[in-house]
Formats: sequence, structure tokens, C-alpha cells
Amino acid sequence: QKEVEQNSGPLSVPEGAIASLNCTYSDRGSQSFFWYRQYSGKSPELIMSIYSNGDKEDGRFTAQLNKASQYVSLLIRDSQPSDSATYLCAVNLRSSASKIIFGSGTRLSIRP
Amino acid sequence: ETGVTQTPRHLVMGMTNKKSLKCEQHLGHNAMYWYKQSAKKPLELMFVYSLEERVENNSVPSRFSPECPNSSHLFLHLHTLQPEDSALYLCASSQDRGGTGSPLHFGNGTRLTVT
Repeated sequence: QKEVEQNSGPLSVPEGAIASLNCTYSDRGSQSFFWYRQYSGKSPELIMSIYSNGDKEDGRFTAQLNKASQYVSLLIRDSQPSDSATYLCAVNLRSSASKIIFGSGTRLSIRP
Repeated sequence: ETGVTQTPRHLVMGMTNKKSLKCEQHLGHNAMYWYKQSAKKPLELMFVYSLEERVENNSVPSRFSPECPNSSHLFLHLHTLQPEDSALYLCASSQDRGGTGSPLHFGNGTRLTVT
């Protein structure tokens, strides 16, 4: 079982709709969860971090965490063409808080 | 300079060469990381220097050797690489508070090609 799993996509969403990205992780002791956005040819940039169960909202982005189900998601409201990118889920390992492991990413495409 | 700076941006080297990648962070962080990003593969954690400890991924070959002289500078020394080592090498830093992972701030990466 992979430590962090994401659907590779591509996920195609019409402009203005809600994009929903999902991630599952295997280490039940993980405490820190991150979503990064990566444009082609660029390095990843942090969108959201979440540490507690529930929802965390920041502008058009909402991260949702369910530790019991080992599931974290990212919702993007009012999707814009500029949101087209690969979204990476990252999780720290219980064995070492510094070990942050990434999923393979979901490619999101917003169609006008 | 702000953020995390990596040099060089691009590097082409033969399999018998020795080269080094450099990373410098200006964020006052206390942890630095090397990740490898190959096409169609997840970001692979190679090394972490955090709170004066070194954490390494045991699957990383010994032809990659990290060095962290202080909390602001990180190097990755390369020798006798293989073509499959061609990838984007990303440096990152974070403020490690112990016990809870902190967000990573990435540099722009070094695109390495081994011929």
C-alpha cells in the first residue's frame, strides 16, 4: 500500500464549478497534512495545511480532514482556468515529523 | 535574496563527473530537505536535516551525498551518477517545531541530466 495515494487524473472541471481532490494515507499516526499546487515546469507551492479533523477554509479553497478514515480532501470553489495544475497531497510520518511524504498528484484541468 | 535559492538551475553531467548542487534558505528555518522528482513519479524524499539531526531515505544510492554546514545552507554532492538519476532535484526548508510536521517552502529546483 502506498503511503499517500491520489487519483492521477486528469480531472476536468468546467470553469466556475467546484473541483474536488481526494487523498488517502496509510500512517494512522500522521498529524500534519498539506496541499501543494505545482504548475508544469515549476516547483510546488503550498496552498493549505491542516492538522485537526474537520474543515479549514482559505478563500476559494477548503481542506477537509478525517483522521478516522485516513482521508484528506481539497475543494476549490469557483474554479478558474488558472487553477489548472497538478495538486499534491503531502503527509508527515509518525516515525519522524520531519519526514513529509507526497502523493503522485492529481492533474486538474479547468475548461472554459 | 528571499525564500529558497537553488543553483545551478540546470546541470548536464557525464557519468564519471563529480558535481554539487547548492541550496540556500533566507527564511530563518531550521530544517532543510532534498527531494527528487522524476517524470510520472511522486516526489521522493532523499534527505532531511532537522534540529541538527540527519534523516535519510535508505533507498537513496550512496552516489548521492548530502552536506548541511549550517541551518541556511544545504549541498547535494553527486558522483558517478547513472542516466536514471536524471530528474528535477528540489530543495525545501521548514520551521521544525518538533513532533508536528511543518509546511515546506521549495526552491525552484535543479534540472539534472546525466549523459
